[in-house]
Amino acid sequence: NAGVTQTPKFQVLKTGQSMTLQCAQDMNHEYMSWYRQDPGMGLRLIHYSVGAGITDQGEVPNGYNVSRSTTEDFPLRLLSAAPSQTSVYFCASSYSSYGGTEQFFGPGTRLTVL
Amino acid sequence: AQSVAQPEDQVNVAEGNPLTVKCTYSVSGNPYLFWYVQYPNRGLQFLLKYITGDNLVKGSYGFEAEFNKSQTSFHLKKPSALVSDSALYFCAVRDTNAGKSTFGDGTTLTVKP
Repeated sequence: NAGVTQTPKFQVLKTGQSMTLQCAQDMNHEYMSWYRQDPGMGLRLIHYSVGAGITDQGEVPNGYNVSRSTTEDFPLRLLSAAPSQTSVYFCASSYSSYGGTEQFFGPGTRLTVL
Repeated sequence: AQSVAQPEDQVNVAEGNPLTVKCTYSVSGNPYLFWYVQYPNRGLQFLLKYITGDNLVKGSYGFEAEFNKSQTSFHLKKPSALVSDSALYFCAVRDTNAGKSTFGDGTTLTVKP
């Protein structure tokens, strides 16, 4: 199993550009989520999905969209990039949304917005 | 609302000494608590979790954590630290219904030879 994969690893955008961060998992996990990691702020939840066709907002959803058309894929779209979105983005998955299941994380995407 | 606090930004220990990384939490209802480790330029890796049962939880790489309900704490411990344990450690609490996780700000552990 490849686990959770993310592409690209690095990306530089100009203010106002849009892009999609890709995330895929091959573990047949129900639950998937996106986080951003900023220095000294831990991980903050952007959006999450409890199954195909179901998504919901996390703590910091503004400026981001998601969709979940398949169990495997959970792309994150930046609609109009801003410098405040410079961060490291992690995708994670877990077997279910049950609170006792641990999450598996991808390697991250480092995004810089100029 | 649930929350997690890691009161120490940095913990320094000598190799071979015991280590403790502190975590306190706030939840309504029963807590589901986790520790994750992050090595430089990598994603987070699961170490251990508390769901119910014994207050001392054993996990990967010789780590354990002690759950204390009265003090709302879930401290990570290891009897003998290794230089290779140096990393960023995150405590997290997970929601019982929607599965949303809240992470602490992280503690950088440095183990010196």
